[in-house]
Amino acid sequence: KAGVTQTPRYLIKTRGQQVTLSCSPISGHRSVSWYQQTPGQGLQFLFEYFSETQRNKGNFPGRFSGRQFSNSRSEMNVSTLELGDSALYLCASSGVKKLEQYFGPGTRLTVT
Amino acid sequence: LAKTTQPISMDSYEGQEVNITCSHNNIATNDYITWYQQFPSQGPRFIIQGYKTKVTNEVASLFIPADRKSSTLSLPRVSLSDTAVYYCLVGDTAIWGSQGNLIFGKGTKLSVKP
Repeated sequence: KAGVTQTPRYLIKTRGQQVTLSCSPISGHRSVSWYQQTPGQGLQFLFEYFSETQRNKGNFPGRFSGRQFSNSRSEMNVSTLELGDSALYLCASSGVKKLEQYFGPGTRLTVT
Repeated sequence: LAKTTQPISMDSYEGQEVNITCSHNNIATNDYITWYQQFPSQGPRFIIQGYKTKVTNEVASLFIPADRKSSTLSLPRVSLSDTAVYYCLVGDTAIWGSQGNLIFGKGTKLSVKP
């Protein structure tokens, strides 16, 4: 089976811009979760989508949003970028076993 | 998800067995214990999951005592490539439509030296 893929792998944006990141889960996985990882805060949960519905949401401002398509592919969007949004954004998919998540390689976002 | 406590860091040498212990005093009856490994600039990788006693796979073993208030991840004969952060998570296995998200703590940074 192909693993979780994320595009793009690297991104440089300017403050105030917006960005869209994409995630393709493992075939058959219906749950997709997004995480932000920074050296200071570690791995923080952003949100989870299941069957095109946001099922869970972490403690992030409304500038962070996401969606899931009928084929389980997911996108996350960050509007009005701030310097503090610079991070590694990770997507993970899971099947029946929620605790068994499979992570993609991540998108490294740098905001200047 | 039950709160977990694990050491911030550990050092080892190549060829040694490494045991990383995780405390989860408030584990619930339906909770499973899961461990992930993360290398720098990569996503975490699922290593092993268990409910009680002992689970072994090609990568590691997981020991869970009868009271399930702690668990130990055992890595046999580590090599330099096992240098990574190891996370312990505790929670329900998935049920379609269940709520709750994974909460990763700080993890244990394992450094393997030659």
